[in-house]
Amino acid sequence: LAKTTQPISMDSYEGQEVNITCSHNNIATNDYITWYQQFPSQGPRFIIQGYKTKVTNEVASLFIPADRKSSTLSLPRVSLSDTAVYYCLVYGTGRRALTFGSGTRLQVQP
Amino acid sequence: NAGVTQTPKFQVLKTGQSMTLQCAQDMNHNSMYWYRQDPGMGLRLIYYSASEGTTDKGEVPNGYNVSRLNKREFSLRLESAAPSQTSVYFCASSESGGNTDTQYFGPGTRLTVL
Repeated sequence: LAKTTQPISMDSYEGQEVNITCSHNNIATNDYITWYQQFPSQGPRFIIQGYKTKVTNEVASLFIPADRKSSTLSLPRVSLSDTAVYYCLVYGTGRRALTFGSGTRLQVQP
Repeated sequence: NAGVTQTPKFQVLKTGQSMTLQCAQDMNHNSMYWYRQDPGMGLRLIYYSASEGTTDKGEVPNGYNVSRLNKREFSLRLESAAPSQTSVYFCASSESGGNTDTQYFGPGTRLTVL
């Protein structure tokens, strides 16, 4: 079971880059790393997914070092609308291993 | 495309009452999931269905039953509700349930058990 550890909360200001790091020391060879975003009173939604090195899409970048024991979600130039909870998931073998943890609560200030 | 829909949006039950939460998806996905989210906490997997006709327990299955009625629909039943089951319930679906799957979530059902 690939357990993940993230900071409980982070604060930022509009226009800044935000980096949220997730630790997953016992990630398995076949596991992928996926990040979700959740706004209040809504279900989570997919942001980005990766296996190694760097992945970028229109919303974020995901950096994964060679040992894959951690990953960093990077949100460029955040706005107030990026205030949300961000979850790091590592897909284990079998659905029993799918756990969202407590996530990182990002608060963006004007 | 409605995506994942859930009914009802809100429900209040008394201890011992039963109810069924309904979930449907129109994306032709094979896998479906039920989660609960307690205040200030992350989501915990209750049950999942890898494909039509199969269901399996997740992290917190006690007190719940599920039915994968067909490919589109996956219901969650509370036979005898308890205050500890007060939570927000999310249904999700994904194409295949594999390691690279993206889960799509419904809007949630907010359940209060008195």
